Amino acid sequence: IQLTQYPSSLSASVGDRVTITCRASQGVSSYLSWYQQKPGKAPQLLIYAASTLQSGVPSRFSGSGSGTDFTLTISSLQPEDFATYYCQQLNSYPRTFGQGTKVEIK
Amino acid sequence: QVQLQESGPGLVKPSETLSLTCTVSGGSLSGYFWSWVRQPPGKTLEWMAYIYDTANTDRNPSLRSRLSISIDTSKSQFSLRLTSVTAADTAVYYCVRHKASDRGSYDYWGQGILVTVSS
Repeated sequence: IQLTQYPSSLSASVGDRVTITCRASQGVSSYLSWYQQKPGKAPQLLIYAASTLQSGVPSRFSGSGSGTDFTLTISSLQPEDFATYYCQQLNSYPRTFGQGTKVEIK
Repeated sequence: QVQLQESGPGLVKPSETLSLTCTVSGGSLSGYFWSWVRQPPGKTLEWMAYIYDTANTDRNPSLRSRLSISIDTSKSQFSLRLTSVTAADTAVYYCVRHKASDRGSYDYWGQGILVTVSS
């Protein structure tokens, strides 16, 4: 299953609302997760089952969608949120990831 | 707090075998699925293989002919072996734990180990 993220990169300011889209080449039900990766670090799980916040993740992060179209929203961008975000489908093996969306400072 | 630590050589010659080990501390291997995920420089993540126990494993079809995964619960370790490596196998390799619930999102990650394939 191929995952395509939009946009590949974006520039935003602190306080902005940011939305990232992930589109699957076939339906994955709600079996989609989002990860955040900072330079030189391992990814961290943000959201699983499309919309469930992982423990310890700030509530400004939210996810929605099902089937083939999903979104990750950051309601008010904070300095520590500048990173690359990846979606991952867990509907079938092999598990696959999107190509990533880099969120940069405007 | 569960911690994962990858270990192995940082440099492997082309055509040779890459062997990595993940040591898990702060929790048990039993009852969880474990995977290897890799990330070539500047690229996205690629799931490689998972293991639950010696009878329950799976590998990415793109790597299946070259890849094996094993587990040693007595040592709290699981391992990866990738044969006939090429420059395309240069990547940061992560070991991860699957969440017990959900469909197995990766809730714990090792720090990653950069493996370079070069003569």
